[in-house]
Amino acid sequence: AQSVTQLGSHVSVSEGALVLLRCNYSSSVPPYLFWYVQYPNQGLQLLLKYTSAATLVKGINDFEAEFKKSETSFHLTKPSAHMSDAAEYFCAVSGSEKLVFGKGTKLTVNP
Amino acid sequence: EAGVAQSPRYKIIEKRQSVAFWCNPISGHATLYWYQQILGQGPKLLIQFQNNGVVDDSQLPKDRFSAERLKGVDSTLKIQPAKLEDSAVYLCASSPPEGRALYGYTFGSGTRLTVV
Repeated sequence: AQSVTQLGSHVSVSEGALVLLRCNYSSSVPPYLFWYVQYPNQGLQLLLKYTSAATLVKGINDFEAEFKKSETSFHLTKPSAHMSDAAEYFCAVSGSEKLVFGKGTKLTVNP
Repeated sequence: EAGVAQSPRYKIIEKRQSVAFWCNPISGHATLYWYQQILGQGPKLLIQFQNNGVVDDSQLPKDRFSAERLKGVDSTLKIQPAKLEDSAVYLCASSPPEGRALYGYTFGSGTRLTVV
């Protein structure tokens, strides 16, 4: 079985500051890991994914995440926040077929 | 390529009424999923289809929810009768037949249901 824990339901940063959204996973098989972003009244958009190749994964809009097996973590980072990054972010894990989501982290970017 | 299409975008109904949502996946995607996203929570899988067969419906409240995927393409999710706690966004997603866990899923924009 798989599960995801996202630490912090709300994160607030200033424009230009580092963004760090935390995700820890549990999986009984080697996992595939994903980060999705959801803007208000929209569906989920894939930011990036880890599929057992490189442990440092780069995604769209300068986001990246690092898979750390020893820490069972897949934290999402971005060096410099933009106002347009304000959204809700979901970490998800898939061990075989089913995609299991965390509860989400709402990111606020302050001017 | 065209994305996953869902309709309607919004629906308001009274409790005990019935409602249906429609999804058209990406062409060629054999696997289709319906997720329920309650406000403030992550999406929860309701049902997974592989072509027109059900793979997983363990979290579908079968006393009131039903879903079908005729001819392995479009899908319909129905709620009858609706309860207040069914208020949520219903997301449809699809993935290619090979390596679906590997590629992730493509989501539609969702249907926001409000039960009053």
